[in-house]
Amino acid sequence: DAGVIQSPRHEVTEMGQEVTLRCKPISGHNSLFWYRQTMMRGLELLIYFNNNVPIDDSGMPEDRFSAKMPNASFSTLKIQPSEPRDSAVYFCASSPEGSNQPQHFGDGTRLSIL
Amino acid sequence: QQQVKQSPQSLIVQKGGISIINCAYENTAFDYFPWYQQFPGKGPALLIAIRPDVSEKKEGRFTISFNKSAKQFSLHIMDSQPGDSATYFCAASMGDDKIIFGKGTRLHILP
Repeated sequence: DAGVIQSPRHEVTEMGQEVTLRCKPISGHNSLFWYRQTMMRGLELLIYFNNNVPIDDSGMPEDRFSAKMPNASFSTLKIQPSEPRDSAVYFCASSPEGSNQPQHFGDGTRLSIL
Repeated sequence: QQQVKQSPQSLIVQKGGISIINCAYENTAFDYFPWYQQFPGKGPALLIAIRPDVSEKKEGRFTISFNKSAKQFSLHIMDSQPGDSATYFCAASMGDDKIIFGKGTRLHILP
């Protein structure tokens, strides 16, 4: 079982640049989640998809953030333009069909905006 | 209403001791309460979970105690080991896909 795969693991870029984070969920899982983790705010849900459809994007902080899931095996989180306050660890998670299913997290992307 | 409040923020316990992390919630519609464990450089992983129709669930050295009337639940780690050092998140769900996480507790077990 490959688990949730995120890329890149680390990203350092300058303020104003576009950042794209990628996620491959576990095969067969039909829900996908994007989280942001910081010391100050903990683990925040940004957006989640069910069967490739965005269900709840109320956690997306600003219009600079966008997420897509073009198919069941791939999702992206894009920040454009990036700002230093976007620096955080971004996690992708997936879960199978059914209520109260465990979420399986990737190892995250550590993003630093200079 | 949607929050899950977790305490303490950090905890230091001697090897062999009992680690206790507490959580409280307001929304009585929550019906599933998982705990996640996160090691440095890794994503959180499900550790143990409970539903409100039971007051306690035990898996090895890990026990969840649940008090429905007080809207509180806690994680007890018996015989704490250095390998238990991690960040622990309590969480709550209403039976849909979305999980509300607490802010986390950084646990350090002294060797």
